[in-house]
Amino acid sequence: NAGVTQTPKFRILKIGQSMTLQCTQDMNHNYMYWYRQDPGMGLKLIYYSVGAGITDKGEVPNGYNVSRSTTEDFPLRLELAAPSQTSVYFCASRQGPDSGNTIYFGEGSWLTVV
Amino acid sequence: AQKVTQAQTEISVVEKEDVTLDCVYETRDTTYYLFWYKQPPSGELVFLIRRNSFDEQNEISGRYSWNFQKSTSSFNFTITASQVVDSAVYFCALSEVTFSGGYNKLIFGAGTRLAVHP
Repeated sequence: NAGVTQTPKFRILKIGQSMTLQCTQDMNHNYMYWYRQDPGMGLKLIYYSVGAGITDKGEVPNGYNVSRSTTEDFPLRLELAAPSQTSVYFCASRQGPDSGNTIYFGEGSWLTVV
Repeated sequence: AQKVTQAQTEISVVEKEDVTLDCVYETRDTTYYLFWYKQPPSGELVFLIRRNSFDEQNEISGRYSWNFQKSTSSFNFTITASQVVDSAVYFCALSEVTFSGGYNKLIFGAGTRLAVHP
């Protein structure tokens, strides 16, 4: 019962490098989300997707890109990494917008930009 | 704009004490959803409760209880007879109601770190 799987769990990047955080879910969920959690702060929404081929910006999209070519995968791309992107990143998914559908979160990816 | 405030950054209690975590929210919407999530030291987010703004009844689930007061825009969470395993960061969150009556994006508070000592 995998649920939402994120990779890598830990990564150190140098300033200016690029990387992709992978997220996959095996629950056939339509909605997927990327959040970031800064120390001592709540989660802030970066991007979300309501289905394959459809993505939209959240609260803090700058410096990131996403794609949703399949229902299962929702990768988050960091271009030109900056120290301000040091954070914990959470991917999440749910079946749809209905109130009874719970959001399932992955275990998080710890990213440090130095 | 929507906002969630958890004024208590950290709370420390001794096992078996009762503890209340405060959550105050701001929204211009007349209907909305409120949530509580638990984030244990392992890092994942665990769903605890979802409450529709229409339903102001308090809820109890085992040692957990929630007090929703629309008049004061608060959705407080109480743990009775706390245990060491309750040590975690607890997040309150808010979401607008979508056109279909569901919800989509969550706005989170900064979280309250609860430490329960033996």
